[in-house]
Amino acid sequence: GAVVSQHPSRVICKSGTSVKIECRSLDFQATTMFWYRQFPKKSLMLMATSNEGSKATYEQGVEKDKFLINHASLTLSTLTVTSAHPEDSSFYICSARTSGGGNYNEQFFGPGTRLTVL
Amino acid sequence: QKEVEQDPGPLSVPEGAIVSLNCTYSNSAFQYFMWYRQYSRKGPELLMYTYSSGNKEDGRFTAQVDKSSKYISLFIRDSQPSDSATYLCAMQLGAQKLVFGQGTRLTINP
Repeated sequence: GAVVSQHPSRVICKSGTSVKIECRSLDFQATTMFWYRQFPKKSLMLMATSNEGSKATYEQGVEKDKFLINHASLTLSTLTVTSAHPEDSSFYICSARTSGGGNYNEQFFGPGTRLTVL
Repeated sequence: QKEVEQDPGPLSVPEGAIVSLNCTYSNSAFQYFMWYRQYSRKGPELLMYTYSSGNKEDGRFTAQVDKSSKYISLFIRDSQPSDSATYLCAMQLGAQKLVFGQGTRLTINP
């Protein structure tokens, strides 16, 4: 199956700093990438959907100015958590898929990034 | 009411048992039904994918979709300790976003 990587796998930062997480599709071109957030023992919560070359579409309640998403190429999307605070501590997971069209295309998930804000 | 309901468990069974995991949903327009397995501190991986109603079998895993009841199931036969993980159901309408259930934590005891 297709491989999606995330970097870093774990990051600890001080409150007020910004953190960038990278998501890469290693062996396919991802026209669409998704960013999820997962709290302990909870399900995945979709934060935003990004299409290559376009602005990301954010889910209701997600602050676009706090969670900056860039999808500049078909293999790379980045999530930047700006001015991070302890409540932003979470497990962030990206996924990628090829063109959706009108049909189902499998989303391939990255291994996740654990963010801890002190 | 959540779009997708899944009992979070935890569910603990002995090795070799048959495991039944279930989800219900409210949106009758969902077309694609998936089961993901997620190990601790890892990303989800797709186990089974079914389009519309019916059954699908892959080795020890069987997925069932009953659209008339808005109910999907995943059965695991001859369960192994390595099957211990969180199982997430997910659904999708066309090319739209995935909608996940809460996930069921499963432990298979040797």
